[in-house]
Parts: sequence; structure tokens; C-alpha cells
Amino acid sequence: AQTVTQSQPEMSVQEAETVTLSCTYDTSESDYYLFWYKQPPSRQMILVIRQEAYKQQNATENRFSVNFQKAAKSFSLKISDSQLGDAAMYFCAYRTPPNTGNQFYFGTGTSLTVIP
Amino acid sequence: GAGVSQSPSNKVTEKGKDVELRCDPISGHTALYWYRQRLGQGLEFLIYFQGNSAPDKSGLPSDRFSAERTGESVSTLTIQRTQQEDSAVYLCASSLPLAGSSYEQYFGPGTRLTVT
Repeated sequence: AQTVTQSQPEMSVQEAETVTLSCTYDTSESDYYLFWYKQPPSRQMILVIRQEAYKQQNATENRFSVNFQKAAKSFSLKISDSQLGDAAMYFCAYRTPPNTGNQFYFGTGTSLTVIP
Repeated sequence: GAGVSQSPSNKVTEKGKDVELRCDPISGHTALYWYRQRLGQGLEFLIYFQGNSAPDKSGLPSDRFSAERTGESVSTLTIQRTQQEDSAVYLCASSLPLAGSSYEQYFGPGTRLTVT
């Protein structure tokens, strides 16, 4: 089974600064999908950003961007100009290709604190 | 459109009682997932439904846990003879695993189950 590893249980960042959250995964597939989800204290999981493995260009959504290194099986999330509202638990997720079961695998999460 | 909804939002039950948790996926989403999230932990996969295919029950922790889904609509997760270790937030997510879609999961707000 695929595994997703988030090696940073907790991270902190000063408001307006930049922080990078790490994620690595293990797979033998070549076509898959990667996601970062945010879970605020209210517990509603919200999609932050997605990346298709067949795309070489790193995905970007406003202040959020990823560094996708397919050969290294690494998928880190960079948050620029951090805001207090970015404080949350962040989960990295791997999704299998559509023809292999549509299964999702989640990391254990990184708790991000934003310091005013 | 409406998102994924779950009910109840909170449930307190006595040890040994049965509970039913409900999930209404986004209309048209053929894939539905149940996860368990213990306090401060990541997501633990429980069960996955895809259309009319046999569900993937590989994550159910014991035979006290079961889930049903009628067609591509509502799903119920049933926990029989609840134990204190069942206390957790139960999250439901739905997805549209079709070519051309973005494939991500959309999560409900969760049901917080407390077994006393």
C-alpha cells in the first residue's frame, strides 16, 4: 500500500513570513494525484492545493505553492506571507489513479502555528 | 451547490449502546469515504463506496463497525456496542472519480462521537 509521510508534527511561522511543510510518499505508480488539505480548529477539511503527477509545473494557488519532485517522491507546501488564518493542521494526501481504486492515503498531519 | 453534510454533529452515548452516523454526499458524487480521526491524530480510513461496486471495507477496525450506502446517495455508519476507544470524530467525504474532474475529496464537517 502507498504511504504518505509528514515528518514535521508541528511547525511555527511568524506572521508575513514564509513556511514550508514537507511531505514524502511511496508509490510505484506514475499517474496519481497529490493534495494538501487544511483542517482548522473547526475541523472542516478544506482543499488547499492539488497536483497531477503528469504535470511538471508546480501548482500555485495565491499564497500557496508546491514543490513537486516526482523522482524524489516529494511534495512540499510553501505558504508565503503567512496569515493568522493559516493556523491549522495540514494534511498531505495521495490519490491512486482512477483505474486502480480511487483510494486516498493521508499523512499524519503538521500542526502549523502562526505567531503574530 | 450544497456540500457534504453529516448528522448529528455531536453524539454522546453510553458504552455498549449502538450509534448511527449519517452522511449526505454531494449530489452526483459516486465515491464516498468514511474516516475516523482520534483527537490530535491523522485520518484513519474506514470504508469506501464507489457506485454500485462492492465497498472496500478493509479499514473497518472490528465487526462492530458497518456501513451502508443506497445507490449513490446517503450513507450510514453504524457502530454496535460502542466502546470508549470509539470516541473520535468521524469524517465523511465524497468524490467524483471521472476523467476530467479534479478528483479531490470534499469533506463533511464530521460527527464528534463521545462514548462515556
